[in-house]
Amino acid sequence: LAKTTQPISMDSYEGQEVNITCSHNNIATNDYITWYQQFPSQGPRFIIQGYKTKVTNEVASLFIPADRKSSTLSLPRVSLSDTAVYYCLVAPYTDKLIFGTGTRLQVFP
Amino acid sequence: GAGVSQSPSNKVTEKGKDVELRCDPISGHTALYWYRQSLGQGLEFLIYFQGNSAPDKSGLPSDRFSAERTGGSVSTLTIQRTQQEDSAVYLCASSLPGTSSKQTGTQYFGPGTRLLVL
Repeated sequence: LAKTTQPISMDSYEGQEVNITCSHNNIATNDYITWYQQFPSQGPRFIIQGYKTKVTNEVASLFIPADRKSSTLSLPRVSLSDTAVYYCLVAPYTDKLIFGTGTRLQVFP
Repeated sequence: GAGVSQSPSNKVTEKGKDVELRCDPISGHTALYWYRQSLGQGLEFLIYFQGNSAPDKSGLPSDRFSAERTGGSVSTLTIQRTQQEDSAVYLCASSLPGTSSKQTGTQYFGPGTRLLVL
């Protein structure tokens, strides 16, 4: 199973763009990269999923380089409500997801 | 439509007692997962169901933990002879199968059951 590495924490201010990078050196050919967001006292919530290049939705963008050994979640113009833990996961051959400790994003006014 | 629901939302029990945690997945979701999250920690995978069968039980921490799923819907996680280290939030998630054998379907999580073992 691919293992992911991401920063433990990040700080930002409202209105700034936040980029969270995740390393997954052992990603397999057919694995997908998925990001989840978790607020305190809630279960994780799906943000975005991609395989290669760039994926964008109404919440975030996901940048994946050609070698797919890393990925970057980009949150444009963050607000206080984006304060949460962000998990990077690599989809394994089964449907099991391995969550790491995630990146704790703190947004300040 | 309704999301994943879990009950009870909170459970306080005494060491040595058995507890049952329930998960109602989103209707039509064939895959169901149980995770555990200790305070300030990431999620720990426990078990995964596809339909009523559990192809992956590798995350269950001990033989005190068991889970079943009936009718391809509701699942129950049972912890026997609870210990204080079992205190955590137990999260359930469900998903449709991925679009191929290699793609994970998006998982939808319930609010969790907060278990406290005294």
